[in-house]
Amino acid sequence: QVQLQESGPGLVKPSETLSLTCAVSGYSISSDYYWGWIRQPPGKGLEWIGTIYHSGSTYYNPSLKSRVTISVDTSKNQFSLKLSSVTAADTAVYYCATIRGGYYIYWGQGTLVTVSS
Amino acid sequence: EIVMTQSPATLSVSPGERATLSCRASQSVGSKLAWYQQKPGQAPRLLIYGASTRATGIPARFSGSGSGTEFTLTISSLQSEDFAVYYCQQFNNWPHSFGQGTKLEIK
Repeated sequence: QVQLQESGPGLVKPSETLSLTCAVSGYSISSDYYWGWIRQPPGKGLEWIGTIYHSGSTYYNPSLKSRVTISVDTSKNQFSLKLSSVTAADTAVYYCATIRGGYYIYWGQGTLVTVSS
Repeated sequence: EIVMTQSPATLSVSPGERATLSCRASQSVGSKLAWYQQKPGQAPRLLIYGASTRATGIPARFSGSGSGTEFTLTISSLQSEDFAVYYCQQFNNWPHSFGQGTKLEIK
């Protein structure tokens, strides 16, 4: 069973960069699958942020593309999200997930990131 | 970008009854559609993929149908644990996109 665990600061100041890591256990990230980030503002729906393949190929939501970087570290079996120039609108629960065939089969528990000074 | 529209926003149904949730895509996604269930404070859980295939461990009372632009999630006999928010998601095109969700509440 694949397990994912998000980690990172729960509070980020406006204009700074949000950085999160997703540690993967139970599966080698370099074997297969795509790996992605999704977020959910409080009380709202799900928004896809971006996806990475173990080879490093990335796909980003056009609405966030200029600010997003997703990377993979196969040596640590984890992947990461960086979102720059954050504002209050980026306050959300951030989820990492395993993607197979395009659908999100395994999810982390999520981590709340608040943007505030 | 493909826009996914779910209806209704809220659905009130009594336990034991059938619930029918709809999802419409702004352009064809073939059968590349998934459904997720999300309970308060939890991550979404995959229910259905490929429009009609139940994920591992999902009870048979959940069924999905449709193709192209019109999709339906049916829960045949609602159990107490089924009251949650349901999302559809297309994976035919980048960017992947989710519907805004349907909240299934107890009547």
